[in-house]
Amino acid sequence: DVKVTQSSRYLVKRTGEKVFLECVQDMDHENMFWYRQDPGLGLRLIYFSYDVKMKEKGDIPEGYSVSREKKERFSLILESASTNQTSMYLCASSPSPESSEAFFGQGTRLTVV
Amino acid sequence: GQNIDQPTEMTATEGAIVQINCTYQTSGFNGLFWYQQHAGEAPTFLSYNVLDGLEEKGRFSSFLSRSKGYSYLLLKELQMKDSASYLCAFLDSNYQLIWGAGTKLIIKP
Repeated sequence: DVKVTQSSRYLVKRTGEKVFLECVQDMDHENMFWYRQDPGLGLRLIYFSYDVKMKEKGDIPEGYSVSREKKERFSLILESASTNQTSMYLCASSPSPESSEAFFGQGTRLTVV
Repeated sequence: GQNIDQPTEMTATEGAIVQINCTYQTSGFNGLFWYQQHAGEAPTFLSYNVLDGLEEKGRFSSFLSRSKGYSYLLLKELQMKDSASYLCAFLDSNYQLIWGAGTKLIIKP
């Protein structure tokens, strides 16, 4: 089975802190994605990557950056956390750009106080 | 532009049948997905339709009409464990997933 693992299930950070969310997949997938999920808004794409060292902005990249130094790992960075970044963050991977199915990690619920 | 719409919440009775609708608008389409998400958990894949018609998988079926920009997820013999949010998403011309906000399904005994 494909496994996508996010480093933390719950995080509490202070405003202004730099926050790192890590995601690792074990199936050699090319594509990796970071979403945030807020009530009533559905999944919104922050950044995605189709290859190592490659990144593309999604719909809401402001305040975030990403890093993909290895194929299996995709990190989301909040440069200076703010309270409006309190959310559920979901990492996903899929085998190829045209692949049908995305596999999700368990999610990280981030609270910024 | 692109958009996708599904009801916010539905209620059904254990043992019954429920149909969750999803409508979408897009200039490029490469398939439609349904995912299930239990509270506090990650979404899990249920179905994928790229051609018109009905796909059946056990108690769950998914239907697609590309000409109408319409899909539905049909859940039969509802069980309490089916209480979850059901997310509809389509794959656009750039192979990006465009997600609906999800339908929260409440099952009552």
